[in-house]
Amino acid sequence: QKEVEQDPGPLSVPEGAIVSLNCTYSNSAFQYFMWYRQYSRKGPELLMYTYSSGNKEDGRFTAQVDKSSKYISLFIRDSQPSDSATYLCAMSANTGNQFYFGTGTSLTVIP
Amino acid sequence: DTGVSQNPRHKITKRGQNVTFRCDPISEHNRLYWYRQTLGQGPEFLTYFQNEAQLEKSRLLSDRFSAERPKGSFSTLEIQRTEQGDSAMYLCASKRKGGKETQYFGPGTRLLVL
Repeated sequence: QKEVEQDPGPLSVPEGAIVSLNCTYSNSAFQYFMWYRQYSRKGPELLMYTYSSGNKEDGRFTAQVDKSSKYISLFIRDSQPSDSATYLCAMSANTGNQFYFGTGTSLTVIP
Repeated sequence: DTGVSQNPRHKITKRGQNVTFRCDPISEHNRLYWYRQTLGQGPEFLTYFQNEAQLEKSRLLSDRFSAERPKGSFSTLEIQRTEQGDSAMYLCASKRKGGKETQYFGPGTRLLVL
């Protein structure tokens, strides 16, 4: 079993839709949770970073962490064509050590 | 631009050749990480440094791979006797000292072994 599971998609939505992206994990020691956005042939760009359980909002993006269920989510409101990318979840027990990534979900927002 | 930089951005080589990649981290970041990403997969950890000390190496880092960070600033990743299976994006990330700081990634070096 992989440390982090993420549905690879692809996911296709119309412009303006709410997008929900999810990851599950097995290691209960994880307490740092990140979402990265990766455009084709580019490096991952940090979107959201949360510590422990709870919600965090930044503009159109909301990250949720439910440690009891070992489940994290990223919501994108009012999705735009420029949001079309691969979204990677990442997590770690300690940010100083290696991050464990999901496989990424490919998102296309259709104008 | 004060982000993580990597060179070269692309490298095509023939099987059996040696290649070396360079990563320049964000200047005040003392930790530096190397990851490998293949098509359709998330990045996989290879190794990391705290200053010049290499603290952890993944089992993915075979004896053909070596990484250095001689002065605690930039780092190099060398692959000897490249194989077609080494074709991937090699990503570098850096992190500031501090428990709740996260890792920031560079643009990657895309390697193609023919």
